[in-house]
Amino acid sequence: EVQLVESGGGLVQPGGSLRLSCVGSGFTFSTSGLNWVRQAPGKGLEWVAYISSSGSTIYYTDSVKGRFTISRDNAKNAMYLAMNSLGAEDTAVYYCARDGVGAFHHWGQGTLVTVSS
Amino acid sequence: EIVLTQSPGTLSLSPGERATLSCRVSQSVSTTYLAWYQQKPGQAPRLLIYGASNRATGIPDRFSGSGSGTDFTLTINRLEPEDFAVYYCQQAWTFGQGTKVEI
Repeated sequence: EVQLVESGGGLVQPGGSLRLSCVGSGFTFSTSGLNWVRQAPGKGLEWVAYISSSGSTIYYTDSVKGRFTISRDNAKNAMYLAMNSLGAEDTAVYYCARDGVGAFHHWGQGTLVTVSS
Repeated sequence: EIVLTQSPGTLSLSPGERATLSCRVSQSVSTTYLAWYQQKPGQAPRLLIYGASNRATGIPDRFSGSGSGTDFTLTINRLEPEDFAVYYCQQAWTFGQGTKVEI
């Protein structure tokens, strides 16, 4: 069974930093592209970042460029999202999602990031 | 920039009825990257349809997807109580704003 488990969310002050993790199991992690998708409270889904299976290709949505960094460690079956200069607009549940044929076939349960003083 | 517009915003139906959800894309796209997701409160999204018309693993056949170019549709036949949720379409890295199917 494919599983993705996020962790690292929590309460952080504006301007602060946080690092999210996503650990995968039940599939060949090192051959899978991965994404971070977020959902602000009561809002829709917003794609945040993508990293290819080898880590050589990375994309970000414009609103996080220069502040967020996606990375992965295939030896640990883990993906990360380092978030800096956080603002209230970054408050959301952050999901990791595995790339499949033309869609995100598997999702984690999400981790909540709250940016507030 | 591609924009996905879903309609209606809310669909009020009864169990056993058919739901027809629309997703309009701002420019013509390949069906390869058109997907539909279901999300229930407090849960992660679940993939229903990929490639515009292919059901994901374990998805009942009352869910079907169709369309091409700029207009895509998700149809849910014979709504079951567990189908009342929010549905999102997606094209590559862009999501629609969602349609809520409520009783």
